[in-house]
Amino acid sequence: DSGVTQTPKHLITATGQRVTLRCSPRSGDLSVYWYQQSLDQGLQFLIQYYNGEERAKGNILERFSAQQFPDLHSELNLSSLELGDSALYFCASSPGLAGRVLSTDTQYFGPGTRLTVL
Amino acid sequence: EDKVVQSPLSLVVHEGDTVTLNCSYEVTNFRSLLWYKQEKKAPTFLFMLTSSGIEKKSGRLSSILDKKELSSILNITATQTGDSAIYLCAVEETSGSRLTFGEGTQLTVNP
Repeated sequence: DSGVTQTPKHLITATGQRVTLRCSPRSGDLSVYWYQQSLDQGLQFLIQYYNGEERAKGNILERFSAQQFPDLHSELNLSSLELGDSALYFCASSPGLAGRVLSTDTQYFGPGTRLTVL
Repeated sequence: EDKVVQSPLSLVVHEGDTVTLNCSYEVTNFRSLLWYKQEKKAPTFLFMLTSSGIEKKSGRLSSILDKKELSSILNITATQTGDSAIYLCAVEETSGSRLTFGEGTQLTVNP
């Protein structure tokens, strides 16, 4: 158990709908990352938040958005869902920003949310 | 664009065999290389290798970073069926903490 929690575990919805995925980082971690894992594209970085602010953006679609709240939990919102959005969505957390000297600044992954769009 | 390539993509061995998984990378600003093991759920952290720590070992698993060749290997000795998983290699940039992952190596260890 990494200490990162994600809800729900599974989500089945229809095309055109909107869903919200939730992540709680490990205690004390300030950075939260979202990744998408699909069969044809592997693990892809979506977005990072640090202490409530967006820190880095990857290949995140405009239909997707995220935020990190004052209690450091994060939500990933996916809207106008398409069949191709079906994937595993992982949240990871780490203590802080990149560039730190500490070798313990490692990303630990939550169990993921499996999204199926029908 | 940053790139991580793993080989082989798939490997089937017998219990007791030794395996070597390969990872090569091209990144603009390299900070660290990480190995993860993914079974049915989330990737589980194995090792982090940085410029100041190019070799790590934990039990039957060990990993080396070759900064000159921009590559890393993950060795697993005396493999067990429980080692069956996808092994992911990822690199972390200096400019941000995003991880760029390779496609993974699917390792199957048969009894």
